Amino acid sequence: SAVISQKPSRDICQRGTSLTIQCQVDSQVTMMFWYRQQPGQSLTLIATANQGSEATYESGFVIDKFPISRPNLTFSTLTVSNMSPEDSSIYLCSVEPRLASTNYGYTFGSGTRLTVV
Amino acid sequence: AQTVTQSQPEMSVQEAETVTLSCTYDTSESDYYLFWYKQPPSRQMILVIRQEAYKQQNATENRFSVNFQKAAKSFSLKISDSQLGDAAMYFCAYRSEGQGFSFIFGKGTRLLVKP
Repeated sequence: SAVISQKPSRDICQRGTSLTIQCQVDSQVTMMFWYRQQPGQSLTLIATANQGSEATYESGFVIDKFPISRPNLTFSTLTVSNMSPEDSSIYLCSVEPRLASTNYGYTFGSGTRLTVV
Repeated sequence: AQTVTQSQPEMSVQEAETVTLSCTYDTSESDYYLFWYKQPPSRQMILVIRQEAYKQQNATENRFSVNFQKAAKSFSLKISDSQLGDAAMYFCAYRSEGQGFSFIFGKGTRLLVKP
């Protein structure tokens, strides 16, 4: 399975500012997924990032608020823009193995705990 | 659209005992995958076990096993010989077969293990 390094692990930010979260994978992957986990809740998909194309956003999430970059097959960033306290959550990235035959559970990053004050 | 339901917000088990976590799902697809993930306080999502829908045999990983009932759309997780380190949030997840699909997660069940 791929190994993901996600940074930062946690941050406390002022409202109105932006935070960029990075995920670095130790192998080339096709899809990368970004999830939000609000306090005490389950994981909700924000967007799917495919290298070389625009990210695909789920209902309720927009590019202006959560811009995503995917410059190559091993790296992606998620920016949380113009933050408000409602953005306080854990953000996780996940990857799909490049080989279609590798149908194991996808690997997750260790998560970024964001607190907006 | 697919949905995943975990009806037990919290469960507790005595150390060394057995506990079963419930999960039901809804889908019109015939081929898919089901997973149980564990999330300890460290936030790391850890794969516990997975099941391919086309397999009739229930998956087993050491102390963890599932009861997969495809017709009933049920996918429960049994933890045998529970250990203190099993205490965590457990999420049931669904994924369509093929590439490019993300997970659909249930709301989770918090498992408490009593010494």
